[in-house]
Amino acid sequence: SQQGEEDPQALSIQEGENATMNCSYKTSINNLQWYRQNSGRGLVHLILIRSNEREKHSGRLRVTLDTSKKSSSLLITASRAADTASYFCATDGGSSYKLIFGSGTRLLVRP
Amino acid sequence: DTAVSQTPKYLVTQMGNDKSIKCEQNLGHDTMYWYKQDSKKFLKIMFSYNNKELIINETVPNRFSPKSPDKAHLNLHINSLELGDSAVYFCASSHRTGTQYFGPGTRLLVL
Repeated sequence: SQQGEEDPQALSIQEGENATMNCSYKTSINNLQWYRQNSGRGLVHLILIRSNEREKHSGRLRVTLDTSKKSSSLLITASRAADTASYFCATDGGSSYKLIFGSGTRLLVRP
Repeated sequence: DTAVSQTPKYLVTQMGNDKSIKCEQNLGHDTMYWYKQDSKKFLKIMFSYNNKELIINETVPNRFSPKSPDKAHLNLHINSLELGDSAVYFCASSHRTGTQYFGPGTRLLVL
């Protein structure tokens, strides 16, 4: 299966703490993306990092990419209750026209 | 103003029936996709279309037939529905191979 793995599967933190999620993938990539899915809703794009980039920031989000280890991490700083959601990494698998999703991390931010 | 819309939002039907899910995007994108999310939240690409042409068909049963009447629409028709087809189906669109924007999903339950 091309499906990537995310770690941890579930994460529970207190509001204000940082949350770190990790993603590993199997094939070469052109880019890696992170998406958020609130319960019962569609996916919302958060950030895209290209294979020649090592780190990228967007607001409270920080993404790193290590292509030698085929892994990425998403850091959410100063978490809020509204950050409670499932987070998925997705790669293009080196090919165009599709995304290969990881298994997702369920984040719970307690008020 | 919805960027990617899907209808219906919920679909409950009997085994053996034929059903269609419609998807429309108003983003001017040239590429559209169908993904399936199973009960364990795994997301998997089913089809992708670029400029109304099928680009990817990820070993989806022949009972699933996508149709793209124009670049803004990608419909999914499912024949002879089976219990295992129960899932959430997401439509998405992108400009070429860029960031994908997802619809709200169609929750299909086959009884």
